[in-house]
Amino acid sequence: AQKITQTQPGMFVQEKEAVTLDCTYDTSDPSYGLFWYKQPSSGEMIFLIYQGSYDQQNATEGRYSLNFQKARKSANLVISASQLGDSAMYFCAMREDNNAGNMLTFGGGTRLMVKP
Amino acid sequence: GAGVSQTPSNKVTEKGKYVELRCDPISGHTALYWYRQSLGQGPEFLIYFQGTGAADDSGLPNDRFFAVRPEGSVSTLKIQRTERGDSAVYLCASSNMGSGANVLTFGAGSRLTVL
Repeated sequence: AQKITQTQPGMFVQEKEAVTLDCTYDTSDPSYGLFWYKQPSSGEMIFLIYQGSYDQQNATEGRYSLNFQKARKSANLVISASQLGDSAMYFCAMREDNNAGNMLTFGGGTRLMVKP
Repeated sequence: GAGVSQTPSNKVTEKGKYVELRCDPISGHTALYWYRQSLGQGPEFLIYFQGTGAADDSGLPNDRFFAVRPEGSVSTLKIQRTERGDSAVYLCASSNMGSGANVLTFGAGSRLTVL
């Protein structure tokens, strides 16, 4: 089974509007972390936001927030006030803490396109 | 250095040749990871180093792939007898394992094309 599922291959959003990128995950580990990365056309993976499984509040970083619904095993990324520079691939990833290496497992990504 | 540095940024080789890809992590980061990203897909884990030793190499696809980190800093990913299916972007990341969230910082990647 896929550990990280991103069901939206591509999304359009109008500049200045908000957009939600979906992510669901699968783990039996009670302790884990969820991450979102942005990958522009230049190729570099840029860290956006992190949510720990025991965090009580949803994480926020500037225009990014993570809608964490633990019972549903979802960790959707919300980008407010979209900008043209937000056009990129977005990847959801999970770290399971029973894994000593703390490596990340990534989803297949969502391509976001911001329209002027 | 300020970020994770990977060289070469692009490598074109012929089927059957040997290639080396280099990663220079952020200074002081003890953990180093190699990932492979095929076109249109998310990165896939290859190998993880803690210090000089390969702590987890479960993602290496076969014995043509090998990686080293002899002094606990720079790492080299080595691919023998390259095949066309090895064409991908190879990403390196490093992290400070004691930092809570353990955020991985990625390099820009090495794009490998096997003709």
